[in-house]
Amino acid sequence: DQQVKQNSPSLSVQEGRISILNCDYTNSMFDYFLWYKKYPAEGPTFLISISSIKDKNEDGRFTVFLNKSAKHLSLHIVPSQPGDSAVYFCATLLEGNFGNEKLTFGTGTRLTIIP
Amino acid sequence: SQTIHQWPATLVQPVGSPLSLECTVEGTSNPNLYWYRQAAGRGLQLLFYSIGIDQISSEVPQNLSASRPQDRQFILSSKKLLLSDSGFYLCAWSKDRQVEQFFGPGTRLTVL
Repeated sequence: DQQVKQNSPSLSVQEGRISILNCDYTNSMFDYFLWYKKYPAEGPTFLISISSIKDKNEDGRFTVFLNKSAKHLSLHIVPSQPGDSAVYFCATLLEGNFGNEKLTFGTGTRLTIIP
Repeated sequence: SQTIHQWPATLVQPVGSPLSLECTVEGTSNPNLYWYRQAAGRGLQLLFYSIGIDQISSEVPQNLSASRPQDRQFILSSKKLLLSDSGFYLCAWSKDRQVEQFFGPGTRLTVL
């Protein structure tokens, strides 16, 4: 049962344009939503997160939007740069009873920025 | 600053052989620790998490086990590897009640 889905396995965007990465989830009880970026043969690095009580969070070129009624999350990167080429994972977090936070990851979207 | 180490970086093992992957965290205390696996073409799957020494929870039934003999050391083991154990194994840590998890560089395991 895939609770977090990234339906686009890949995306190509021209340098300087906006990249939009999408994510859908099924559990309305998730507390936080996160985006991670991963280069080949490396561990994921945290990009940005959003609490379930918000609908937008911005950090530089990265903005995450949360639509709770649609159970949909998106990451906007503008302007897109060649260094943004990577696999992007969305992740959801359900806070545990003892403070242990467990992330549920989507399957990832490979973003390629075309120079 | 905090750092997380994993070794080895790559490993090729025959089916039926044992496994031991090690993860250590520096610069913090009492971290939550996690083992993930990324199989080919798949997302990141949580295998184990630990909120303290000898406190480990398994997320999925499998051929693997985890141990935490020290506060900042997390070990992933198997007595007999299967072909399906091949993948990219990631260790991560977080502070209690913090949203962000920090990942190590990963270990690429190939079982032949």
